[in-house]
Amino acid sequence: SAVISQKPSRDICQRGTSLTIQCQVDSQVTMMFWYRQQPGQSLTLIATANQGSEATYESGFVIDKFPISRPNLTFSTLTVSNMSPEDSSIYLCSVDRQGGGYTFGSGTRLTVV
Amino acid sequence: SQQGEEDPQALSIQEGENATMNCSYKTSINNLQWYRQNSGRGLVHLILIRSNEREKHSGRLRVTLDTSKKSSSLLITASRAADTASYFCATDGGYSTLTFGKGTMLLVSP
Repeated sequence: SAVISQKPSRDICQRGTSLTIQCQVDSQVTMMFWYRQQPGQSLTLIATANQGSEATYESGFVIDKFPISRPNLTFSTLTVSNMSPEDSSIYLCSVDRQGGGYTFGSGTRLTVV
Repeated sequence: SQQGEEDPQALSIQEGENATMNCSYKTSINNLQWYRQNSGRGLVHLILIRSNEREKHSGRLRVTLDTSKKSSSLLITASRAADTASYFCATDGGYSTLTFGKGTMLLVSP
């Protein structure tokens, strides 16, 4: 199954700034998924990113706040824009495992102060 | 809204004991998956059970699925301290996206 390199692993950011999270996959994949995990909570899907088209956002998430790029079949970025303390979460990317289930990146632990 | 609801929310056992976690969901599924998360890091896929399967094994893991009750259970036998983690069930409704439950925190003491 695919291996995902996600970075940064953690960051502490000032409110009002933006952070871009990167995920690099070691094989070509059609779809990449971005999730948010708020403290002590489960994972919530933010959006699905297909190469060559705009990302599809889930209810409650908008492109202006969470712009996503998918320039090729092995790479994607998620930007958390104009951050507030409520954005403090773990952000994870994932891809289909081709055989069942999904592979996840190691996560980005974001703290907004 | 969350599709899966796990119980218990937290479970504390001794090494060598078995751990059972349950998951309930609300809508039709193609498959149900279980994941492990260590210390708020990335998730690791453990096992997938399809909607037409009732039981599946993988090493020390045993998963059951009852689609009539919309529930699943994960059994970890002969637990080890290294099994300490959060465990999540996730349902796949057939649109290539997962809906996660709230998770069970498992603590295995030596």
